[in-house]
Amino acid sequence: AQTVTQSQPEMSVQEAETVTLSCTYDTSENNYYLFWYKQPPSRQMILVIRQEAYKQQNATENRFSVNFQKAAKSFSLKISDSQLGDTAMYFCAFSGNAGGTSYGKLTFGQGTILTVHP
Amino acid sequence: ETGVTQSPTHLIKTRGQQVTLRCSSQSGHNTVSWYQQALGQGPQFIFQYYREEENGRGNFPPRFSGLQFPNYSSELNVNALELDDSALYLCASSLNVGDEQYFGPGTRLTVT
Repeated sequence: AQTVTQSQPEMSVQEAETVTLSCTYDTSENNYYLFWYKQPPSRQMILVIRQEAYKQQNATENRFSVNFQKAAKSFSLKISDSQLGDTAMYFCAFSGNAGGTSYGKLTFGQGTILTVHP
Repeated sequence: ETGVTQSPTHLIKTRGQQVTLRCSSQSGHNTVSWYQQALGQGPQFIFQYYREEENGRGNFPPRFSGLQFPNYSSELNVNALELDDSALYLCASSLNVGDEQYFGPGTRLTVT
């Protein structure tokens, strides 16, 4: 079974600054997918960024980038130029590779509440 | 294109009762997954349906059951409600198994 751990219950950052959210995971699978999801106070979960474990290059999406360290089983999210609209709960999640029983089923961490201050 | 919708938004039930939650998938999506999110926690996977068949189940008792219909809308049924079933229930649809999951706004269930 997979586990996902987010050790930072809450984080805060000033508008326009950079913040990094941490995530570690445990799995015996060699190929898998990692995700960061954002859940604003309105509750609708939105995918922020996705990383495929077999790709060495870290994924980036505009102001969002990840630092994927496969050997350390670490997957952190960096938000640059933070904006007030980034205020939300952020979840790290894991999904197994095609052919495995956990393929397409998300295992989430406990979440990190990020507050962006003006 | 209509996103994932869920009904009702809020629901209050009494312990021991039964409840049905509904999810309408995004157009063209044949896979739906259900998650339970307790207050302040991350969502937990309940089960997934692919083309009307159950395609995996998390660590939830049999009193949690589901259905997926030919139009790929879905239901989550919970029998014999317990206080610990109070949570936000999220459904997510995807074009196919393993594709990006699009979440609905959730149904907030309170069991008293």
